[in-house]
Amino acid sequence: DAGITQSPRHKVTETGTPVTLRCHQTENHRYMYWYRQDPGHGLRLIHYSYGVKDTDKGEVSDGYSVSRSKTEDFLLTLESATSSQTSVYFCAISEDRVAGGPTGELFFGEGSRLTVL
Amino acid sequence: DQQVKQNSPSLSVQEGRISILNCDYTNSMFDYFLWYKKYPAEGPTFLISISSIKDKNEDGRFTVFLNKSAKHLSLHIVPSQPGDSAVYFCAATTQGGSEKLVFGKGMKLTVNP
Repeated sequence: DAGITQSPRHKVTETGTPVTLRCHQTENHRYMYWYRQDPGHGLRLIHYSYGVKDTDKGEVSDGYSVSRSKTEDFLLTLESATSSQTSVYFCAISEDRVAGGPTGELFFGEGSRLTVL
Repeated sequence: DQQVKQNSPSLSVQEGRISILNCDYTNSMFDYFLWYKKYPAEGPTFLISISSIKDKNEDGRFTVFLNKSAKHLSLHIVPSQPGDSAVYFCAATTQGGSEKLVFGKGMKLTVNP
């Protein structure tokens, strides 16, 4: 199994509070991703990273920020949590292709369930 | 606009029979397609993929078929087993350097003993 861990695994917070989710990998992969999974929406990309300090937005990035100061850690921050951000958040990593770029084959963490009251 | 569509939310089959999961896409730039499987309370796991230069890829009981002209792919599981009961996600991307994998909404497969 790919070495990828997420913390915390479960969190309940109140509207307006900041929340940070951590993703840690031991595979030394360049690409890291944050997805959220919601009923009726499948998996939607929030942000991704293609290297230390290199990040870009996904399709549902509003209200979220990310940081990657080390290869192994990718942090997702909700500056001021809202009830619409109640979801299950998945971190994923991807190997590089020999020709460059990710393979598309993602290895996912076990998820972080966030409830915003 | 949804670029990857899994129009059936669920499928129920008997153990030993074939399961066929369908997926349609709208973006003609997609050239690499993947299926992921997800059990409750776990992260999705990669199952099988296919490049647009092929129309079929097989791995044990799992076969993915790609019809580029119809922008349609399907996952066949033969024979189906109760352990295959999970949510299956279809995904697509472009191999030309895109970092963004686009997922469908998922389909829940139930295999009854």
